Amino acid sequence: AQSVSQHNHHVILSEAASLELGCNYSYGGTVNLFWYVQYPGQHLQLLLKYFSGDPLVKGIKGFEAEFIKSKFSFNLRKPSVQWSDTAEYFCAVNAVGSGNTGKLIFGQGTTLQVKP
Amino acid sequence: KAGVTQTPRYLIKTRGQQVTLSCSPISGHRSVSWYQQTPGQGLQFLFEYFSETQRNKGNFPGRFSGRQFSNSRSEMNVSTLELGDSALYLCASSLATVAGVFYEQYFGPGTRLTVT
Repeated sequence: AQSVSQHNHHVILSEAASLELGCNYSYGGTVNLFWYVQYPGQHLQLLLKYFSGDPLVKGIKGFEAEFIKSKFSFNLRKPSVQWSDTAEYFCAVNAVGSGNTGKLIFGQGTTLQVKP
Repeated sequence: KAGVTQTPRYLIKTRGQQVTLSCSPISGHRSVSWYQQTPGQGLQFLFEYFSETQRNKGNFPGRFSGRQFSNSRSEMNVSTLELGDSALYLCASSLATVAGVFYEQYFGPGTRLTVT
């Protein structure tokens, strides 16, 4: 079965530290990849997306992610985090193919706490 | 553009009852997907509707059903509620096409269902 794994469940960083959140998926075919963020008290928001082309994608608020097909990974990065980045981050995958129409598979989420 | 809206935001029901949740997609979006979010299972796909047709269904019992209207608004229904149905139910809309091409999904704030 297709699945998405986020390695870190809870990350605590100080402001200005660099961030990397890991995401791996299990599916051998074509994928569309996403990172969503859920700030406290708010709904899920799209942070960035990858459909095809340049494997390094940039999103909102200085976030970027790199798709490494050979490693089935789509890790999220930010060079310098801010207190306002405190949130829960979800990696999500759409496995292209029949039976997956309209379906995102989510990782378990990573809670990021940034200390001022 | 207005975002995805969901009503009601909170619901408390008793075991054995049924419940109907509503979702209004972003204007112009014809695809609506539903997800269940719980602390234990995370975000799980329920079903996707496009042009009033269910195109995909997740691994949930038949007590979970949905429909979509001609204006793309969608409802989901859960019959014979169980304690384990307590969750946040999220609706997402997208520009997904009749051919099933996947586009990013935009999420609503969710309906928090508590079953007692």
